[in-house]
Amino acid sequence: NAGVMQNPRHLVRRRGQEARLRCSPMKGHSHVYWYRQLPEEGLKFMVYLQKENIIDESGMPKERFSAEFPKEGPSILRIQQVVRGDSAAYFCASSTYRVADTQYFGPGTRLTVL
Amino acid sequence: KQEVTQIPAALSVPEGENLVLNCSFTDSAIYNLQWFRQDPGKGLTSLLLIQSSQREQTSGRLNASLDKSSGRSTLYIAASQPGDSATYLCAVGMDSNYQLIWGAGTKLIIKP
Repeated sequence: NAGVMQNPRHLVRRRGQEARLRCSPMKGHSHVYWYRQLPEEGLKFMVYLQKENIIDESGMPKERFSAEFPKEGPSILRIQQVVRGDSAAYFCASSTYRVADTQYFGPGTRLTVL
Repeated sequence: KQEVTQIPAALSVPEGENLVLNCSFTDSAIYNLQWFRQDPGKGLTSLLLIQSSQREQTSGRLNASLDKSSGRSTLYIAASQPGDSATYLCAVGMDSNYQLIWGAGTKLIIKP
């Protein structure tokens, strides 16, 4: 059973471009969580999704950021018109149940905005 | 609002020493607490999970304790090795909540 997969592992974008980050949850997991880790800081919750539904996006900036978890395929975190402050590591986690102690984490995508 | 603090931010010790990493939280109504390891440029590895009803958990050379009333957890590493060098993160799960609230981590360096 493969773990949580994220791609790309590293992504470089110029200011104003779009960034698309993908997360494939573990087999059988229907809950996906996205976290952002700024340099020298802890992770911050961004959004929680179930298949075809956004359950909680309270940690996600209102503008330029969006997330989806379609019926088929990976979850996508999309950042439009990236700025230098978006440079961070973005981690995805998945779980079978909606509780805090069953989340398995992917290796992260490191986004660098030039 | 729950806040999680880890002290120290960085720690460097000689190989073989026993050491303690600290994590404190402001709201004692937690569901559980986890310790993770993060290696440079890599993902997160869960080390130990302590439920709110437990006082400690052990795995090999690692021992994590939890004192809910005082809002503290410690991670004890015995007989440290260079391979233990990493950033150690503490994360709190709140009751009936799926969000994990994270400390900023302690960067540990074990000198050979």
